[in-house]
Amino acid sequence: DAGITQSPRHKVTETGTPVTLRCHQTENHRYMYWYRQDPGHGLRLIHYSYGVKDTDKGEVSDGYSVSRSKTEDFLLTLESATSSQTSVYFCAISGGQGARGGQETQYFGPGTRLLVL
Amino acid sequence: SQQGEEDPQALSIQEGENATMNCSYKTSINNLQWYRQNSGRGLVHLILIRSNEREKHSGRLRVTLDTSKKSSSLLITASRAADTASYFCATAPGSNYQLIWGAGTKLIIKP
Repeated sequence: DAGITQSPRHKVTETGTPVTLRCHQTENHRYMYWYRQDPGHGLRLIHYSYGVKDTDKGEVSDGYSVSRSKTEDFLLTLESATSSQTSVYFCAISGGQGARGGQETQYFGPGTRLLVL
Repeated sequence: SQQGEEDPQALSIQEGENATMNCSYKTSINNLQWYRQNSGRGLVHLILIRSNEREKHSGRLRVTLDTSKKSSSLLITASRAADTASYFCATAPGSNYQLIWGAGTKLIIKP
């Protein structure tokens, strides 16, 4: 299994508080992704990174920010959590090369279950 | 927006039978991938098939790709209880650099 960990694995927070989720990889892969998974929606891309300090928005980026200061760490911050951000969050990595490297096989972390009350 | 759409949304079969799931998409693609997700777990990559390939095998899995119909199928032969999971297709559109995911097929294998 690819070395990907997510922390925390479960979190309960209150509306309006900031929340930071961490993804850590030991594979030295270039691409890292944050997805959310909700019933009936499959996976939706929040943000992704194609290198240290290189990030871009995905389909559902409003209310989220990311940072990648090291190859191995990709942080997702909910600036002011809302109940609509209750979800399961998955981090994924890809070792693809070149501009289309993000379209190669992705390896997923175990997920973080977030409940916003 | 969803590029890949799986069909059926849910499938329940007896152990030992074959399971077939389909994925349709809308735009040209560079590749199409299938993933499995067991309940409460992360997704696991199964097979990647490129746009110039028509069929690929991996153990009991067979994936076909028909680019003229913009569709793919995943066949699991001789199903086992451990195959119970959700299966997702993901497409790599020619026009951007990400994967686009379908909503998945939930497969239940009855003992």
